[in-house]
Amino acid sequence: DAMVIQNPRYQVTQFGKPVTLSCSQTLNHNVMYWYQQKSSQAPKLLFHYYDKDFNNEADTPDNFQSRRPNTSFCFLDIRSPGLGDAAMYLCATSRGGSSDEQFFGPGTRLTVL
Amino acid sequence: SQQGEEDPQALSIQEGENATMNCSYKTSINNLQWYRQNSGRGLVHLILIRSNEREKHSGRLRVTLDTSKKSSSLLITASRAADTASYFCATISGSARQLTFGSGTQLTVLP
Repeated sequence: DAMVIQNPRYQVTQFGKPVTLSCSQTLNHNVMYWYQQKSSQAPKLLFHYYDKDFNNEADTPDNFQSRRPNTSFCFLDIRSPGLGDAAMYLCATSRGGSSDEQFFGPGTRLTVL
Repeated sequence: SQQGEEDPQALSIQEGENATMNCSYKTSINNLQWYRQNSGRGLVHLILIRSNEREKHSGRLRVTLDTSKKSSSLLITASRAADTASYFCATISGSARQLTFGSGTQLTVLP
């Protein structure tokens, strides 16, 4: 029944060591989103894909990259994690219409040592 | 940057009471959505209200929208301990596909 799956649920990395978070969906949705959420804050959109079309938010650091090799999978790459990148990373999907709800995965909690 | 502000930031009530959360936003919208987030988990969509609607119900949830005041409220009636969570409003404007989230309200329902 899982619709948006994120792996791993918990990720520990070292300062400066590249890390990849993964997201997969069984909904066949056109759009996939990556959000960063820090403690007691609202989710902040990093970027999204509409099909293969990549859309980066203006204030997303260059340190964050994304790949979407096919409809089902999307990856978040953090090239050189800093202590300030410790957060919950949420993946979401939607069909793509402006009135569509988004379906969220359970998130990956990233710790940077 | 966040479009919406929510108040209160935190709300604590007894089981069985009603909980009301408010959301304000800044620009014209297509629709406004409410999401719930249990601690350490992803967000779950609760309800969507379009810009031409004023009120919507879903089970124990009632949402109102006042586009002239750029505000919305979420009412949870007969609250339960399981309703304890953070609640976020989120808006979509224009042809955008992305949500802009409010700052959230942390609701605690005491048994």
